[in-house]
Amino acid sequence: GENVEQHPSTLSVQEGDSAVIKCTYSDSASNYFPWYKQELGKRPQLIIDIRSNVGEKKDQRIAVTLNKTAKHFSLHITETQPEDSAVYFCAASNVIQFYFGTGTSLTVIP
Amino acid sequence: EAQVTQNPRYLITVTGKKLTVTCSQNMNHEYMSWYRQDPGLGLRQIYYSMNVEVTDKGDVPEGYKVSRKEKRNFPLILESPSPNQTSLYFCASSVGGATEAFFGQGTRLTVV
Repeated sequence: GENVEQHPSTLSVQEGDSAVIKCTYSDSASNYFPWYKQELGKRPQLIIDIRSNVGEKKDQRIAVTLNKTAKHFSLHITETQPEDSAVYFCAASNVIQFYFGTGTSLTVIP
Repeated sequence: EAQVTQNPRYLITVTGKKLTVTCSQNMNHEYMSWYRQDPGLGLRQIYYSMNVEVTDKGDVPEGYKVSRKEKRNFPLILESPSPNQTSLYFCASSVGGATEAFFGQGTRLTVV
């Protein structure tokens, strides 16, 4: 089956700096790559996603890049704010199953 | 309001006592799934269903059962819970297997 690895497990940045979270996957059949944000005590919520036919997608301060050849994708958050503090999960889907990374706890220091 | 609803939110039970966690969605989604979330392990898929009467095992199905008799409901059944099933459980639904998943509020299960 698919194996999704996510790094780093924890990340602290100063407010206003950028944050980058990286994930790798193993199954070349995976073609959908969402990122979820989970605030403390809340449910995961989608923040951005990308499909395998696209290399980059941006939504305001958030961007995701995908390198299909290397089987890795990354989340970039620019101009971080304290409300960006949360756990972020990457995931890969082959249409049938979802596989999540182990999560990155991001802390934005004011 | 579009939503996925799980019940109960919190549950403490004893080893071996059968329990059911309900999940219902009002978005007419075909794909539904159950996950367990454990520290350091992320979200792991237990079972998924691509449509009514179609269910299949995810990565960690041992000790769990599901059913999908109606499109909106996807209950998770623990026939004989054990302490290693203590976890935070999430139900999710989506249009398909490669689209945005909407999660329920979560069920914190403790098996003693």
